[in-house]
Amino acid sequence: DIVMTQSPDSLAVSLGERATINCRSSQSVLFSSNNHNYLAWYQQKPGQPPKLLIYWASTRESGVPDRFSGSGSGTDFTLTISSLQAEDVAVYYCQQYYGFPIAFGQGTRLEIK
Amino acid sequence: QVQLVQSGAEVKKPGASVKVSCKASGYTFTTYSVHWVRQAPGQRLEWMGWIDTGNGNTRYSQNFQGRVTITRDTSATTSYMELSSLRSEDTAVYYCARGPSWGNGCYGYWGQGTLVTVSS
Repeated sequence: DIVMTQSPDSLAVSLGERATINCRSSQSVLFSSNNHNYLAWYQQKPGQPPKLLIYWASTRESGVPDRFSGSGSGTDFTLTISSLQAEDVAVYYCQQYYGFPIAFGQGTRLEIK
Repeated sequence: QVQLVQSGAEVKKPGASVKVSCKASGYTFTTYSVHWVRQAPGQRLEWMGWIDTGNGNTRYSQNFQGRVTITRDTSATTSYMELSSLRSEDTAVYYCARGPSWGNGCYGYWGQGTLVTVSS
């Protein structure tokens, strides 16, 4: 099974500053035949289901602000929020969908400093 | 618009079973898979399994093998997740989510979640 590990577990960033969340998979999630990384990022606010932000490691979901970006390949990935807004306070999860069982990271709690 | 609407909260005793429904609307039900994911208090999201809504084939996480059954009723555009032999550790919010027809994908649409509480 692929294990997803995020860092840090929590993060406090000032408004307008950059926030960076990392995700590592225990094996590569890059599918060589199509050169896609099977990695997604979600945002979850209290009492709500997760919201898809990024898929294929770097493709922004429709309607997601462009301050959110994803990067990385293989086993190491990053979610970056370029200029933190108050509404970005949430828990962020990475997910691998390369193979079954589908797996999520433990989450990173993002707060305002 | 795409919607996944789940059934309401449940309270069950240890050893009992629970069945949660997920009604889909706004798209052709059989052209997307349905996945079930749970989230225990303060824990990460945990994938439970999925169903190919076209042919009814299923695949489950080994963590739930033998205890979880996912079904669908195409005429009702509804998927169901039944979890048996409940224990206190099964207390969680259970979500359904729409996935791609081939199964392994990410989830652009989620149900609102169903809280299942297991308590004596």
